[in-house]
Amino acid sequence: QKEVEQNSGPLSVPEGAIASLNCTYSDRGSQSFFWYRQYSGKSPELIMSIYSNGDKEDGRFTAQLNKASQYVSLLIRDSQPSDSATYLCAVNSWGKLQFGAGTQVVVTP
Amino acid sequence: EAGVTQSPTHLIKTRGQQATLRCSPISGHTSVYWYQQALGLGLQFLLWYDEGEERNRGNFPPRFSGRQFPNYSSELNVNALELEDSALYLCASSHETGAHEQYFGPGTRLTVT
Repeated sequence: QKEVEQNSGPLSVPEGAIASLNCTYSDRGSQSFFWYRQYSGKSPELIMSIYSNGDKEDGRFTAQLNKASQYVSLLIRDSQPSDSATYLCAVNSWGKLQFGAGTQVVVTP
Repeated sequence: EAGVTQSPTHLIKTRGQQATLRCSPISGHTSVYWYQQALGLGLQFLLWYDEGEERNRGNFPPRFSGRQFPNYSSELNVNALELEDSALYLCASSHETGAHEQYFGPGTRLTVT
């Protein structure tokens, strides 16, 4: 079992719709969780961090965390073509980030 | 505020040689992390330095090593290069050690021929 799992996609989303990305993790001791966006050929860019159970909203992005279920999600509202990228879920484990394989999102006009 | 910087952007080496990659963290950040992103393998944690000390190490052989300087910049050395070391090497920094947000530099693309 991988430590951080994501659906690989691609996830095709019509422009203006909501993209929903999911992530599960295995380390119950993890306390901090992150979503990164990575455009092709570029480095990962931090878009959301979440540390406690519940929802955290930042602009068009909402992160959700459920530690009991070991589950993190990211919602992207009003998806735009510029949101087309690979989204990486990262879980902090003893200072190092454990990354999922990433979900490719394609926003179609 | 300047972001994390890395040099060189690209590096081409021959199998068996040594490579040295450099990273300067965001001003005020004391922790530096190194990751490898090889094609098809995703992002893998390599090393974590804080206050000049190695704090954690990923599942990589000892020929991957590094150090952190008093100004918090860092160097990653890869000895006895192998073809499978070809990857994007990413450096990240955080303003506090441990569980805090990490910000990535643009990376160094290492090609081993």
